[in-house]
Amino acid sequence: GGIITQTPKFLIGQEGQKLTLKCQQNFNHDTMYWYRQDSGKGLRLIYYSITENDLQKGDLSEGYDASREKKSSFSLTVTSAQKNEMAVFLCASGTGGAREQYFGPGTRLTVL
Amino acid sequence: QQKVQQSPESLIVPEGAMTSLNCTFSDSASQYFAWYRQHSGKAPKALMSIFSNGEKEEGRFTIHLNKASLHFSLHIRDSQPSDSALYLCAVANSGTYQRFGTGTKLQVVP
Repeated sequence: GGIITQTPKFLIGQEGQKLTLKCQQNFNHDTMYWYRQDSGKGLRLIYYSITENDLQKGDLSEGYDASREKKSSFSLTVTSAQKNEMAVFLCASGTGGAREQYFGPGTRLTVL
Repeated sequence: QQKVQQSPESLIVPEGAMTSLNCTFSDSASQYFAWYRQHSGKAPKALMSIFSNGEKEEGRFTIHLNKASLHFSLHIRDSQPSDSALYLCAVANSGTYQRFGTGTKLQVVP
């Protein structure tokens, strides 16, 4: 089996600060995803990538950038942190939309 | 744009009861329907999925799909306290991503 690791586990930043979250997977999956989960609610797609150096915007891409430097890693940047985007950010990987996705443990973002 | 909604928002059931969770979607061309379970503080994990109309059973869990009604459901037989979690439904077309529902928080009390 494989694993998805996310760093850091907890991220604290100041309002307006640029912050980066990282994700690594060893499933050898082509597709990777970033989601935001507000306070135990559903998942909203921020960005996804179907291969190295590919980026596709999701429903919530405003205020975020992403980077897929290699097949195994996918980074998300909060360009200017706001208090109303305190949430858990989940990374996932899979072999396509109509297949099971595997999730990492998440990064909890706090904005002061 | 596909809309995926879940009901109820939260649910408390006694141990041993049957639990039913609902998910509606708006795009009739959807092809993949899944349920994920997320225990508190943990990552979501896929529970089961279905592609075609009908039902599928795995242990205590059954998924029903009715594409004409734009509805699918998850039924948990003999609910256990360990089933307490956030349940997320997900729907995909033939494309590369799934759209998730709003979540149902289930609590099973002894």
